[in-house]
Amino acid sequence: DADVTQTPRNRITKTGKRIMLECSQTKGHDRMYWYRQDPGLGLRLIYYSFDVKDINKGEISDGYSVSRQAQAKFSLSLESAIPNQTALYFCATSDPSVGSYEQYFGPGTRLTVT
Amino acid sequence: GDSVTQMEGPVTLSEEAFLTINCTYTATGYPSLFWYVQYPGEGLQLLLKATKADDKGSNKGFEATYRKETTSFHLEKGSVQVSDSAVYFCALSAPRGQRNTPLVFGKGTRLSVIA
Repeated sequence: DADVTQTPRNRITKTGKRIMLECSQTKGHDRMYWYRQDPGLGLRLIYYSFDVKDINKGEISDGYSVSRQAQAKFSLSLESAIPNQTALYFCATSDPSVGSYEQYFGPGTRLTVT
Repeated sequence: GDSVTQMEGPVTLSEEAFLTINCTYTATGYPSLFWYVQYPGEGLQLLLKATKADDKGSNKGFEATYRKETTSFHLEKGSVQVSDSAVYFCALSAPRGQRNTPLVFGKGTRLSVIA
């Protein structure tokens, strides 16, 4: 089973709808991240969380919110989706306490806003 | 702030050709450096890493050497295969003592290998 899972994998929604993307991990990592990927723009950080009580905005947090329900779960919400939020969204985790700073990524959620 | 610059793609090579994808960085101190690979329809996977100057990371025939003097971490492979077709991302982590920041990623370089 995958260590970092994302649901749904694909979603088509209409402008103005509220949508939630979910991320779960079995790695036991404290740190979790949400990124979006757009062609030619690489990965851009939306929000990140260093533990359940520590949530931080990334470079493109406007229009998004997050909830860290537990160490293993980190959800991303679009309160009122708009077409330019059409993108591929990735969740990631990391555990610097083991002396390594790499991040582990989920398979992504492809979101289309019409 | 910290940043990573990668060569723009797409890069198209014939099978068995030599690959270089350039990556340079801006950071204070001594960051750790990473290469990630994203195969079609998948998330990013760590390909290799280096944590200090002159370290060489290697995996699956790919190599990259941490060059402090040129602030570079270029990815190389001597003979690419069709299965290497993917998007490659260079990334860095903050130097020691500044670990409370996420990785900084480059914009990615798309590689297509044709048979």
